[in-house]
Amino acid sequence: GAVVSQHPSRVICKSGTSVKIECRSLDFQATTMFWYRQFPKQSLMLMATSNEGSKATYEQGVEKDKFLINHASLTLSTLTVTSAHPEDSSFYICSASLGTGQGYTFGSGTRLTVV
Amino acid sequence: GENVEQHPSTLSVQEGDSAVIKCTYSDSASNYFPWYKQELGKGPQLIIDIRSNVGEKKDQRIAVTLNKTAKHFSLHITETQPEDSAVYFCASLSGTYKYIFGTGTRLKVLA
Repeated sequence: GAVVSQHPSRVICKSGTSVKIECRSLDFQATTMFWYRQFPKQSLMLMATSNEGSKATYEQGVEKDKFLINHASLTLSTLTVTSAHPEDSSFYICSASLGTGQGYTFGSGTRLTVV
Repeated sequence: GENVEQHPSTLSVQEGDSAVIKCTYSDSASNYFPWYKQELGKGPQLIIDIRSNVGEKKDQRIAVTLNKTAKHFSLHITETQPEDSAVYFCASLSGTYKYIFGTGTRLKVLA
């Protein structure tokens, strides 16, 4: 079945540094990937839609200069949290669409802790 | 705007009993309704889905029902086991790629 690999699973970084999270579709091509943020005991909040070969579409309230998304190939999207602060600590999850009107496959998530 | 309401937010059942989680969506154009199971510290995993041209779908102990007129869909888990304990999310998808997620249900199966 369709597999999305997300790396790293956990990362701890210092305030002011940047962190890159990778999301790869292993056995299918994903022209569209999605990045979510999830706070404890809450639902998934869509941050942005990543489109291969074009700029990402950000949801309202999400700072595009802080959360840089790159989707340079059909199998890889990256999310870079720039100048991270403790309030950016969260669980970040990517997903990939299997096609129009079809389900998503999610990555295993990345627990980011900014100290 | 479009939204999906999910109830209950928490659910405790005895092992072997059934669990039912309900969702209501607002966008009448929604045509795909997946259910995801999320274990602690992991990403959501698709457990079952249903399309708008079908009223019910079953996969072993898990079933989903859809009432398009009422804009309701429900997840049914029978013969619950401790390993069913997790957070369950419903979602709806309309013509766009974007899912609208429910708020989640924390299911505890008591041994």
